[in-house]
Amino acid sequence: KAGVTQTPRYLIKTRGQQVTLSCSPISGHRSVSWYQQTPGQGLQFLFEYFSETQRNKGNFPGRFSGRQFSNSRSEMNVSTLELGDSALYLCASSLVPLSKKLNQPQHFGDGTRLSIL
Amino acid sequence: AQSVTQPDIHITVSEGASLELRCNYSYGATPYLFWYVQSPGQGLQLLLKYFSGDTLVQGIKGFEAEFKRSQSSFNLRKPSVHWSDAAEYFCAALVSGGYNKLIFGAGTRLAVHP
Repeated sequence: KAGVTQTPRYLIKTRGQQVTLSCSPISGHRSVSWYQQTPGQGLQFLFEYFSETQRNKGNFPGRFSGRQFSNSRSEMNVSTLELGDSALYLCASSLVPLSKKLNQPQHFGDGTRLSIL
Repeated sequence: AQSVTQPDIHITVSEGASLELRCNYSYGATPYLFWYVQSPGQGLQLLLKYFSGDTLVQGIKGFEAEFKRSQSSFNLRKPSVHWSDAAEYFCAALVSGGYNKLIFGAGTRLAVHP
């Protein structure tokens, strides 16, 4: 069974540009959640999608947006990039949403490392 | 303000010793609580989660966590640590609002001595 696939693995952008990251979940998983990890801010939750609907959302500005397609693949978009957006972006998939009272595992991808120059 | 605190930034234990990693949350109600582990070889993994009911939760890799409402704590434990447990551990709380959001602690880095 293929794991969670994130593309691209590495990305270099400049300030002001926009970027789209992709996450393909494990087959059959309908929940995809996104996380940002930086040395300064640590691990932060961006948002979660389940069945194409945003279910949960962290405290990030509107420049950070996402969507989920009918095949459960998800994309995250960041517009007007800032230096502080340099980070490792992780996505995870699961059968059920985070808030579901079921002990289903989450599977994480290896992440996309985004560098802003 | 809603927050998750992991008081210990670094912990070192000897292989075979018991382990307890501390986590405290600040939230009006009882949130859903999670423990994650991140290691270079295996990336980020969900160890266990607590919703309600039995306050002792069993997870993967021999870990367990105990929820204590009176102390607003959700400490992670393992009876006997293995060298492969060396990693960074994150506690998180899912708190409700207009949207639910997952709040992470700063993490505890565990080193294991042979």
